[in-house]
Amino acid sequence: DSGVTQTPKHLITATGQRVTLRCSPRSGDLSVYWYQQSLDQGLQFLIQYYNGEERAKGNILERFSAQQFPDLHSELNLSSLELGDSALYFCASSVELDGSDTQYFGPGTRLTVL
Amino acid sequence: AQTVTQSQPEMSVQEAETVTLSCTYDTSESDYYLFWYKQPPSRQMILVIRQEAYKQQNATENRFSVNFQKAAKSFSLKISDSQLGDAAMYFCAYRSPNSGYALNFGKGTSLLVTP
Repeated sequence: DSGVTQTPKHLITATGQRVTLRCSPRSGDLSVYWYQQSLDQGLQFLIQYYNGEERAKGNILERFSAQQFPDLHSELNLSSLELGDSALYFCASSVELDGSDTQYFGPGTRLTVL
Repeated sequence: AQTVTQSQPEMSVQEAETVTLSCTYDTSESDYYLFWYKQPPSRQMILVIRQEAYKQQNATENRFSVNFQKAAKSFSLKISDSQLGDAAMYFCAYRSPNSGYALNFGKGTSLLVTP
């Protein structure tokens, strides 16, 4: 158990819908990262927050957005869902914005768009 | 963007034997970190080992060690005394300050361990 929690574990929805994925980082971790794992794209970085502020963006679609709240939990919002958005979405957390610290991954949320 | 390449989609090793997984990366940066993550069938991402680019000494964690060749931009993972529980997808990843320290992953190598 990494200490990072993600809810829900599984999510099944229809095209065009909107969903919210939630992540609670390890206690004391200020930095949260979101990654998407799909069969065709592999593991891709989406977005990073540090202590409530957006710090870096990766291959995140405009239909996707995220935020980190004062209690440091984060939410990833996916809207106008398409079949291709079906993937495993990971959240990871680390203590500080430093390359030497370890990113701990949550168990992931499996999103299926029908 | 930095590219991480894992040229072996699948590898197989017998229990108790040694296997080496390959990884190369492309970067012009001097400050970066390299990682190997393991993803078993449970899908959990587990850190196996990490290497700081400024360190010449190769990292070692129990049965896992790396061969870091900075000039060649190569970062291979050696698993000694392979166990059935080592069967998993293994991802090589790159991380640097310019990318906000996000991990840039390779496509992965699926490791099969046979009795």
